[in-house]
Amino acid sequence: DAGVIQSPRHEVTEMGQEVTLRCKPISGHDYLFWYRQTMMRGLELLIYFNNNVPIDDSGMPEDRFSAKMPNASFSTLKIQPSEPRDSAVYFCASSLEGQGEKLFFGSGTQLSVL
Amino acid sequence: AQKITQTQPGMFVQEKEAVTLDCTYDTSDPSYGLFWYKQPSSGEMIFLIYQGSYDQQNATEGRYSLNFQKARKSANLVISASQLGDSAMYFCAMREGTLNTGFQKLVFGTGTRLLVSP
Repeated sequence: DAGVIQSPRHEVTEMGQEVTLRCKPISGHDYLFWYRQTMMRGLELLIYFNNNVPIDDSGMPEDRFSAKMPNASFSTLKIQPSEPRDSAVYFCASSLEGQGEKLFFGSGTQLSVL
Repeated sequence: AQKITQTQPGMFVQEKEAVTLDCTYDTSDPSYGLFWYKQPSSGEMIFLIYQGSYDQQNATEGRYSLNFQKARKSANLVISASQLGDSAMYFCAMREGTLNTGFQKLVFGTGTRLLVSP
């Protein structure tokens, strides 16, 4: 079975540009999470969805960040406008209720904002 | 206050030996879950092992075991018979509450870098 799929694997952009990160969760999973990993702050939960509905977005750093999940098999995390301090690895993860102890992570998107 | 504390930034172990990675946690919720994840240099996060707060037995998954000491609020990961491929970052994480009460955030520690030498 395919795992969580993220794209792109690497993204280099200039300050002020819009960045869209994409995620396809494991089929059948009903929870989807977006995490950000930096050296300074470690792994932070940005937002999570249950059955495509955003449940907790308190980790989203500011209004420049937005996330959507239009259907059960696709989610996006958008940064507009991007800033150098947004440079990080962004992970998407999914899980299934009843197996909530196991988060399955994608390979991450390495974002560099110049 | 830190929810999850990993006090060892780095650990060294020789191949075939056992190693313990420390993790302490802080919660007032009686229901919680503890996890360990491995992050190799390639970057992906790999689930290793899970321990529920009500589980009577320590969790085991192959060469991985979780030494759960509830009163001390510790959840150390023990890797037996270390292999070169075990070299990676290891993260301890905690989930408070249960899915029935609303999924809570999975909070991660700062990680321990393990280096296995031949």
